[in-house]
Amino acid sequence: DTGVSQDPRHKITKRGQNVTFRCDPISEHNRLYWYRQTLGQGPEFLTYFQNEAQLEKSRLLSDRFSAERPKGSFSTLEIQRTEQGDSAMYLCASSGRDREKYGYTFGSGTRLTVV
Amino acid sequence: QQQVKQSPQSLIVQKGGISIINCAYENTAFDYFPWYQQFPGKGPALLIAIRPDVSEKKEGRFTISFNKSAKQFSLHIMDSQPGDSATYFCAASKDTGGFKTIFGAGTRLFVKA
Repeated sequence: DTGVSQDPRHKITKRGQNVTFRCDPISEHNRLYWYRQTLGQGPEFLTYFQNEAQLEKSRLLSDRFSAERPKGSFSTLEIQRTEQGDSAMYLCASSGRDREKYGYTFGSGTRLTVV
Repeated sequence: QQQVKQSPQSLIVQKGGISIINCAYENTAFDYFPWYQQFPGKGPALLIAIRPDVSEKKEGRFTISFNKSAKQFSLHIMDSQPGDSATYFCAASKDTGGFKTIFGAGTRLFVKA
């Protein structure tokens, strides 16, 4: 499998619960990105990793959100005490050093519904 | 962070026609301008991209036109097909930002058979 994998594809959770999403990037890609997409909008940047280092976090990312990328391989995005406003598609993307060649490769996303 | 403005929001084109989507950016530090195509239930997929030192890039039926002085760029889809019906996003990124990409709000294209 040469694509970006995200798990789960769908998650329904009750408000106040914690959720965790996983992303497996393309193995040779050293950069990994998390985006959030709401209906009718473009993806919004949340955070990105170069190898295992988290180099930037968006101001959109409240303290309830945390992301990790141990050993520079897969990444997890955790949302604590979920709120209805967290309902969205969470997209993971990866890219190699040469963006002309790779650009971003996105996964199919995790759709989160907070009820 | 509305740094990339995209229009129109939606577009209906006859099969065989030309689809044109426009984008404008604000930050002159951007140096890479990709277009992504997204089908329902899927993540965006890179379609074509251009650097600001080039005024036009063509790949098959897809062409990007770039106007650096106006800070505008556009996607032209020639001979539009029903299979092109999707949402298209323009985007911009810069080398110093770890290639962090800012996306436009998207254009929903419907190609009528």
